[in-house]
Amino acid sequence: SYVLTQPPSVSVAPGQTARIPCGGNNIGSNSVHWYQQKPGQAPVLVVYDDSDRPSGIPERFSGSNSGNPATLTITRVEVGDEADYYCQVWDSSSQHVFGGGTRLNVL
Amino acid sequence: EVQLVESGGGLVQPGGSLRLSCEGSGFSFRSYWMHWVRQAPGKGLVWLSHIYSDGSVTKYADSVKGRFTISRDNAKNTVYLQMNSLRVEDTAVYYCVREACSGNSCFAYFDYWGQGTLVTVSS
Repeated sequence: SYVLTQPPSVSVAPGQTARIPCGGNNIGSNSVHWYQQKPGQAPVLVVYDDSDRPSGIPERFSGSNSGNPATLTITRVEVGDEADYYCQVWDSSSQHVFGGGTRLNVL
Repeated sequence: EVQLVESGGGLVQPGGSLRLSCEGSGFSFRSYWMHWVRQAPGKGLVWLSHIYSDGSVTKYADSVKGRFTISRDNAKNTVYLQMNSLRVEDTAVYYCVREACSGNSCFAYFDYWGQGTLVTVSS
């Protein structure tokens, strides 16, 4: 089965840039999608197809997938960005797979 | 406005059954593939099952295959998850999720999520 690996946490100061990696076997050949989940809330899609943003998601959120790992980048981090972030891919053998999630701490 | 509203969660004993429902509104429900995803307390997201727009195809994660059944009633804009032989480890918030689709194509990511319904399996 396909496995996506994320660090448990990433810490960044307000105004700085956060980079959240998502590793997987040959991940560059998959489309990677990212979700933000704040405490007590449902996940929200923030990046799809590696680097596209849904309407309403700030330009501060961007993604890349040019190799291992894929990365979600959040520039000019705000306190309100503090949340869990999950990467997700579709794999023919495992169907839909989520990474274990990364808690973004804004110090 | 797209809305997905789950119901049917609650407390059930190990070995018991429960049926979750999810009613969609604000979009053409019959045109979308629908999924169930769960999240155990303090844990990450786990995909469980999906169903094609016309109900013709269903798929399951190995962890629930043979115990859970997904179905839908497009006339009622509702997708269901029948859960049998429940185990303590099935305790989680269960989310109903819409896969992004356009025309006859779906894109393997999830653009709308319900608020979730809590299932607790305990004696």
